[in-house]
Amino acid sequence: KQEVTQIPAALSVPEGENLVLNCSFTDSAIYNLQWFRQDPGKGLTSLLLIQSSQREQTSGRLNASLDKSSGRSTLYIAASQPGDSATYLCASSISNFGNEKLTFGTGTRLTIIP
Amino acid sequence: DTAVSQTPKYLVTQMGNDKSIKCEQNLGHDTMYWYKQDSKKFLKIMFSYNNKELIINETVPNRFSPKSPDKAHLNLHINSLELGDSAVYFCASSRGPVGELFFGEGSRLTVL
Repeated sequence: KQEVTQIPAALSVPEGENLVLNCSFTDSAIYNLQWFRQDPGKGLTSLLLIQSSQREQTSGRLNASLDKSSGRSTLYIAASQPGDSATYLCASSISNFGNEKLTFGTGTRLTIIP
Repeated sequence: DTAVSQTPKYLVTQMGNDKSIKCEQNLGHDTMYWYKQDSKKFLKIMFSYNNKELIINETVPNRFSPKSPDKAHLNLHINSLELGDSAVYFCASSRGPVGELFFGEGSRLTVL
C-alpha cells in the first residue's frame, strides 16, 4: 500500500524567496506523481504531473523533480509571491494502476509573508 | 465556464436522511471520480467511473452509491446519513484513468 508523506505540514517564508516543498512515498513503482494546490474553500488545481520515466517538469516559476529510487519528489517555487499562499499536495499512483489508486499526502500549508 | 461543477456547495442535514450531490464536467473526459476530504484535510478516493466501469474503494460503506446517467455526469447518493459522513466531497475528472485530474470546488456536507 502506497503511503505519501509531506513535511513540514506548514511553512512560512518572506515574499521573494525561493522555496522547496517535499514529498516522499513508500512504493517506488509509481506510474506518475502529481502536484496540486488547494486554496481555502476551493477544490484542487493541478500544477504539474511527472511521469515515472521523467526526472522533472517545469511550469513558469514551478519546477517539480522526481527521484523514484529514493522515493522523493520536490516542488521548487522561485521568487515566491503572496498569491502562492495555499496548501500544496502531492499524489502518486502505483504502476499498473491509474488515478483510482492515487494516494494523496496531507499537504504543506504555505504562507508567503508580504 | 466551469470545467467541473458540483452542487450543492453546502448541504446541512439530519442523521438518517438520504441526500445527493451532483457533478457535471464539460471537458469531454471519460473518467470521473468522487473524493472525500475529512476534517484533517486527508483526501481519499471513494469511486472512479470509466466507460461504465465502476471501481469502488473497498473502505466506502455501501450507503454511498455513484450514479452516472451519461459520460459528463457522476452523481453521489448517500443513504441513512451518519455524523461521520460530515466532510467535503470533491468530484473530479480526467482524460482516461491516468490523465491529469481536474477537480470541482467541493460540496461541504454537515450531518447534525
